[in-house]
Amino acid sequence: QQKVQQSPESLTVSEGAMASLNCTFSDGTSDNFRWYRQHSGKGLEMLVSIFSDGEKEEGRFTAHLNRASLHVSLHIREPQPSDSAVYLCAVGDLPGTGSNRLTFGKGTKFSLIP
Amino acid sequence: GPKVLQIPSHQIIDMGQMVTLNCDPVSNHLYFYWYKQILGQQMEFLVNFYNGKVMEKSKLFKDQFSVERPDGSYFTLKIQPTALEDSAVYFCASSDRGQDTQYFGPGTRLLVL
Repeated sequence: QQKVQQSPESLTVSEGAMASLNCTFSDGTSDNFRWYRQHSGKGLEMLVSIFSDGEKEEGRFTAHLNRASLHVSLHIREPQPSDSAVYLCAVGDLPGTGSNRLTFGKGTKFSLIP
Repeated sequence: GPKVLQIPSHQIIDMGQMVTLNCDPVSNHLYFYWYKQILGQQMEFLVNFYNGKVMEKSKLFKDQFSVERPDGSYFTLKIQPTALEDSAVYFCASSDRGQDTQYFGPGTRLLVL
C-alpha cells in the first residue's frame, strides 16, 4: 500500500524567496505524481502533474521527480501572498481498471511573510 | 478552471440515519471519485466510478456506502445507516479519462451525532 509523507509540516518564507516542498513515497512503481493546493474552505486546485523522472514546469511551479529516490518536490518561484495555502502531494496508481487512485500526503502549510 | 460542485456544503445528522451527498461533476467527464478526510488527517480514497460501475473501492468504503449516477445527474454517495466514525469532509472529484487530472469540489462537511 502506497504511503506518502510530506515535509516540512509548515513553511514560512519571505517574499522573493524560493520555496521548496518535499514529498516521499513508498512505492516507486506508481504512475503519476501531482501537486495540489487548498485554500481554506475551498476545493483542491491542480498545480502540476509529472509522469516521468525529471522536471515539469507550470508557470511559477516546478515539480522534480526522482523515482529511484522515491522523492518528488515542488518549487515555488517568486511566491506571492495568494500562494499561502496547504500544499498536497498526491501519488496516483492505475491498477488496471483504467481509473486513477490518488494517495495523498498530510500537506505542507505554506505562508508568506510580506 | 473546470468546476465541481458539491451539495450540501455542511450536513448534520443523527447516527443511524441515511445521508446522501451530491456531486455535480465537470460536464463531459467520465470518471468520478469520492475521497474522505477526517479532521487533522490526510485525504483518503474511497471509491472510483466509471460507466455506471464501481471500478475500485478502498477498505474505507464500507457496506453501508453506495454510489450511483442515474441518467447523468448528480454523482451521489449514500451512507445508510450512518455511524459516528463517518464524520468527515467528503470530497468529490471527476476526470475526463482515468489518468487525467482529477478536479475536486470544495467538500461536504458531515457531522454524525
